[in-house]
Amino acid sequence: DTAVSQTPKYLVTQMGNDKSIKCEQNLGHDTMYWYKQDSKKFLKIMFSYNNKELIINETVPNRFSPKSPDKAHLNLHINSLELGDSAVYFCASSQGRSNQPQHFGDGTRLSIL
Amino acid sequence: AQRVTQPEKLLSVFKGAPVELKCNYSYSGSPELFWYVQYSRQRLQLLLRHISRESIKGFTADLNKGETSFHLKKPFAQEEDSAMYYCVPRSGTYKYIFGTGTRLKVLA
Repeated sequence: DTAVSQTPKYLVTQMGNDKSIKCEQNLGHDTMYWYKQDSKKFLKIMFSYNNKELIINETVPNRFSPKSPDKAHLNLHINSLELGDSAVYFCASSQGRSNQPQHFGDGTRLSIL
Repeated sequence: AQRVTQPEKLLSVFKGAPVELKCNYSYSGSPELFWYVQYSRQRLQLLLRHISRESIKGFTADLNKGETSFHLKKPFAQEEDSAMYYCVPRSGTYKYIFGTGTRLKVLA
């Protein structure tokens, strides 16, 4: 009955490869997010979608491309992976026009060899 | 610029001692404020939010608009409180800004 689920949990791959991380929420929320957490535990927002529309796009390399096929899904595709992409990526969702908080997924630990 | 500051990267206290995790924000208007907690290798979870004024796991936080602070407090720390704590203002409808986080270590 997981509210926000991400797959895979762990991703180990080589530099230069292309990979995707998927996120799904069953909370009926209209807004989804991707965050990157670095080794110092600093959490930085990357993207946010509201009803499949991109509303937040922080300074993120073009190699990162989010895709929201519907409001329950927000996937993250990364091209030409680099060493600096190693991090934990968290997906989250919230109901946009409300005072409800965000709900987070378990995270995807990406390790670049 | 909108900013949130958690001045302590690491806070170590002994079990049973009081805890205060500091958070200061600089925002125009009245942001909503949350505290999130991340236990070791787990997902981020909401701990509490200022509008509900509730106490969760013995933690409380009071919004001080004059000092623009939202410090998190607990009178008696327990070992299971060891975690990363993030102060998070929400600015506008969609933007949650995470502080750099404070690692709390409760020593036996």
